[in-house]
Amino acid sequence: KQEVTQIPAALSVPEGENLVLNCSFTDSAIYNLQWFRQDPGKGLTSLLLIQSSQREQTSGRLNASLDKSSGRSTLYIAASQPGDSATYLCAAMNAGGTSYGKLTFGQGTILTVHP
Amino acid sequence: DAGITQSPRYKITETGRQVTLMCHQTWSHSYMFWYRQDLGHGLRLIYYSAAADITDKGEVPDGYVVSRSKTENFPLTLESATRSQTSVYFCASSEIGSGWTEAFFGQGTRLTVV
Repeated sequence: KQEVTQIPAALSVPEGENLVLNCSFTDSAIYNLQWFRQDPGKGLTSLLLIQSSQREQTSGRLNASLDKSSGRSTLYIAASQPGDSATYLCAAMNAGGTSYGKLTFGQGTILTVHP
Repeated sequence: DAGITQSPRYKITETGRQVTLMCHQTWSHSYMFWYRQDLGHGLRLIYYSAAADITDKGEVPDGYVVSRSKTENFPLTLESATRSQTSVYFCASSEIGSGWTEAFFGQGTRLTVV
């Protein structure tokens, strides 16, 4: 059974810092790894999708990497801003057996960027 | 407007009542999912559907029923609501072609069972 873990559970940084959020998964049989952002009381917004054949994806100040063999992904946020404050979730799209096509989520990292 | 919409956004119901949460997507994605989000448990899959008339159980299906007669709709029914089903429910859709696309999520339905 796929298990996804995110570290740290919470992170508080001053504005302008570069930061890294970590995501690990136990089953390397995945189609892709997706990072989401969730604001309080809101739905999930997709940030980046990395296919299993890719190593990284970039969008603006965000860069996500994937190392399938070690079961790890990282989300790098450059020059953080207060507007980046949210919960960040990673999810693995499972490729194997009865888990085919299902997203397994981590518990999330709550990010606070203070001015 | 293209997207995935859930209704209602908020619902309060009594224990034992039947309640249906609606989900509609405009992309004609084959795959649709229902998740619940609870503190301490994160997002957990309830049911998913690979196409119209094809559904399967997820991690926490007990007490829920789904149907999918049309590709764009995927309603979730709580047959006899219990307090433990108080949660935020999210619907999502995705597609597989040459590879899986992003999964897109609705805004959620906050359900309170009293």
